Amino acid sequence: GQNIDQPTEMTATEGAIVQINCTYQTSGFNGLFWYQQHAGEAPTFLSYNVLDGLEEKGRFSSFLSRSKGYSYLLLKELQMKDSASYLCAVRDSSSGTYKYIFGTGTRLKVLA
Amino acid sequence: GAVVSQHPSRVICKSGTSVKIECRSLDFQATTMFWYRQFPKQSLMLMATSNEGSKATYEQGVEKDKFLINHASLTLSTLTVTSAHPEDSSFYICSARVQAETQYFGPGTRLLVL
Repeated sequence: GQNIDQPTEMTATEGAIVQINCTYQTSGFNGLFWYQQHAGEAPTFLSYNVLDGLEEKGRFSSFLSRSKGYSYLLLKELQMKDSASYLCAVRDSSSGTYKYIFGTGTRLKVLA
Repeated sequence: GAVVSQHPSRVICKSGTSVKIECRSLDFQATTMFWYRQFPKQSLMLMATSNEGSKATYEQGVEKDKFLINHASLTLSTLTVTSAHPEDSSFYICSARVQAETQYFGPGTRLLVL
């Protein structure tokens, strides 16, 4: 089957670093995505990993280990505006077409 | 990034009526669009994959006769919620796959069925 797990909530302080973990099980892995979603808005794309390793993009980095079915999103120099839900999504091709399967999201609260 | 629009952004309707939601790719052509539904404090659930010029592919548990999807052109897909009921109230989001790497989301449509 397909399963994606993320922590439900996390709290961190402004200026700090936070790591949001995601574990997944899927039969047709074809890439892992991280999205940011503010309340009442649509998700916005943050990062994409298809090979093992770290992808860095400004204050955000994402890591993937395909053998472990594991990814994390690292947010540095946290700002208040980073308070949002962070969605881990796996692209699965086991059905013959691409499908995106989302985790339940991690609600991050950044405190002053 | 690529721009995807949705219309309307918010709709309130009476139980039993039908509601049409439009999803447009503004500066690119999208052969594949996705329709998601999101209930409060929950993640996105894929409802169906919309392919231009062919029938949509629905996920298990999604009634294709209730949620009609039409993808008549490379820039427009529509979702019609037929005979809407209060339990259909949700946040409906479309997305368009731009390249093999990612998808871009529309701003979403909040549906409230009274």
